[in-house]
Amino acid sequence: GAGVSQTPSNKVTEKGKYVELRCDPISGHTALYWYRQSLGQGPEFLIYFQGTGAADDSGLPNDRFFAVRPEGSVSTLKIQRTERGDSAVYLCASSFWGADTQYFGPGTRLTVL
Amino acid sequence: AQKVTQAQTEISVVEKEDVTLDCVYETRDTTYYLFWYKQPPSGELVFLIRRNSFDEQNEISGRYSWNFQKSTSSFNFTITASQVVDSAVYFCAQGGSEKLVFGKGTKLTVNP
Repeated sequence: GAGVSQTPSNKVTEKGKYVELRCDPISGHTALYWYRQSLGQGPEFLIYFQGTGAADDSGLPNDRFFAVRPEGSVSTLKIQRTERGDSAVYLCASSFWGADTQYFGPGTRLTVL
Repeated sequence: AQKVTQAQTEISVVEKEDVTLDCVYETRDTTYYLFWYKQPPSGELVFLIRRNSFDEQNEISGRYSWNFQKSTSSFNFTITASQVVDSAVYFCAQGGSEKLVFGKGTKLTVNP
């Protein structure tokens, strides 16, 4: 079956702009996660959805970051007023339920100029 | 707080050598899970193994084996008879409930 998909694969934007990153989880997976991976580092947790609700958003760095999952499937990570420090690979993962094995997508590489 | 330490930043071996990647974790959870993921140059994280904190049995899958020792909070990963295709960054991760905490990864290079 299809894995987790993320679009776009690459996004280049200018400082101050707004961006949206999309994640399509594995069909049937109720849990969805966003992580951010900076160069040379491991992924860092941002937010976790169980169904439509954000069950844990403790990893969002500040209020410029927001994520939604309105129908319990596809999720969008939104970043307002982007800064150069937001440049990273944004990874999405999904699992059947919270605490189950997480399967990752290929990531979106965000570059803020 | 949860923490995962992978002390080896980079390892380089020659094909057919055995190699062990170290992972030490810290957690106050009584029930938790430990994971290993592989990140090849293509970038996608590939799931390798998940262990429950109550199950300390070592596991072998082909050339891969994992040694879980709760007494030393370690979950080490051994590749036997390494191959060039094993070249990747390997991440150890720990999760108590939902979110995973990752180590910084170990970059393994297997030379022909």
